[in-house]
Amino acid sequence: KNEVEQSPQNLTAQEGEFITINCSYSVGISALHWLQQHPGGGIVSLFMLSSGKKKHGRLIATINIQEKHSSLHITASHPRDSAVYICAVVPNFGNEKLTFGTGTRLTIIP
Amino acid sequence: GAGVSQSPSNKVTEKGKDVELRCDPISGHTALYWYRQSLGQGLEFLIYFQGNSAPDKSGLPSDRFSAERTGGSVSTLTIQRTQQEDSAVYLCASSFQPGENTEAFFGQGTRLTVV
Repeated sequence: KNEVEQSPQNLTAQEGEFITINCSYSVGISALHWLQQHPGGGIVSLFMLSSGKKKHGRLIATINIQEKHSSLHITASHPRDSAVYICAVVPNFGNEKLTFGTGTRLTIIP
Repeated sequence: GAGVSQSPSNKVTEKGKDVELRCDPISGHTALYWYRQSLGQGLEFLIYFQGNSAPDKSGLPSDRFSAERTGGSVSTLTIQRTQQEDSAVYLCASSFQPGENTEAFFGQGTRLTVV
């Protein structure tokens, strides 16, 4: 069993829909990243969370440390949101050696 | 530049040849990481540099892989006697001193194809 599990693996939605991607992990962590990878392969860091909730524009990320679970939400989804979204955890402080989930491939249809 | 820069962006090499991949981290970032993503696979950790400390090489898949970081800045990942299974996107990331609020910034990656 992977230390970081994401669901769903693939998600196709219509433009405008509210999107939720889930991440569960089995190890103790100091922080969790949500990353976005576009088809060209480049990766952008969307959020780093240690607790609670963060919001950037239409993106919202939440984390529940006790339940070892995080969610990434996209409101008013748009085709340009189509990408692979990757959850990654930092097992402890002092070494940002991320453990990655396998990613969620999101496709937004116009 | 303002972000993490990797070069080349694409590299095609013949099996058995050596390749060097370069990463220029964000200025001032003391931590530098190399990851790779093989086709259809998730990201896997390769090596981590932090300041002047000995690098964490625990993710390097074989002794054909090595990396160095000169002057605490630019890093080079070298793959000797490349094999087809080395084909992947190699990603570099950098951050300030790891800690509670440290965020890693990724480069665009080098797509390596071994033919």
